[in-house]
Amino acid sequence: SAVISQKPSRDICQRGTSLTIQCQVDSQVTMMFWYRQQPGQSLTLIATANQGSEATYESGFVIDKFPISRPNLTFSTLTVSNMSPEDSSIYLCSVEDPGRTNTEAFFGQGTRLTVV
Amino acid sequence: AQSVAQPEDQVNVAEGNPLTVKCTYSVSGNPYLFWYVQYPNRGLQFLLKYITGDNLVKGSYGFEAEFNKSQTSFHLKKPSALVSDSALYFCAVRPFGQNFVFGPGTRLSVLP
Repeated sequence: SAVISQKPSRDICQRGTSLTIQCQVDSQVTMMFWYRQQPGQSLTLIATANQGSEATYESGFVIDKFPISRPNLTFSTLTVSNMSPEDSSIYLCSVEDPGRTNTEAFFGQGTRLTVV
Repeated sequence: AQSVAQPEDQVNVAEGNPLTVKCTYSVSGNPYLFWYVQYPNRGLQFLLKYITGDNLVKGSYGFEAEFNKSQTSFHLKKPSALVSDSALYFCAVRPFGQNFVFGPGTRLSVLP
């Protein structure tokens, strides 16, 4: 399994500003995933972050709004840019079991973002 | 389009009674199937998965799930519910080589 630490755990931000969320994993992983969970809804994949290459974004998500960094195999950041109240969500970092494929995913505790 | 349905937004059960949280899916091929639980202000925790083999899989905290290929279902069950099982439960599928698809979630309330 993998232990994932996300920071911050929650934040309240002014509209128009940006927030960077950090995700640290206790082991090296090939792919890291960023999800959004809007209030009362399920998880939606934002993008897949691979080390050494640009992130792959899902339909409806763009790099200008959600820039992602992946400087090494244990760390990634997601920035929510030019925030609006509609960005208020829980943002979750996820990884797969290191060394295995197509297995369960492990999640950080999430970042609860409120935009006012 | 690939999708996961959890037909019940909310399931209420009395403590000590058996519980079932339903999940059906529509994906191509033979996907891997998962259940996750989310407690308040926490991330998702893995409960169990079906990859292949026995249709009844056992997982954490006494939960089990039954895979039914003909009905494309993967219902979560527990013989005797605890108040501490109250949480949000997500069914997920993963078509081979692709990303997860999560269901909308079912809120389980176990009443003392």
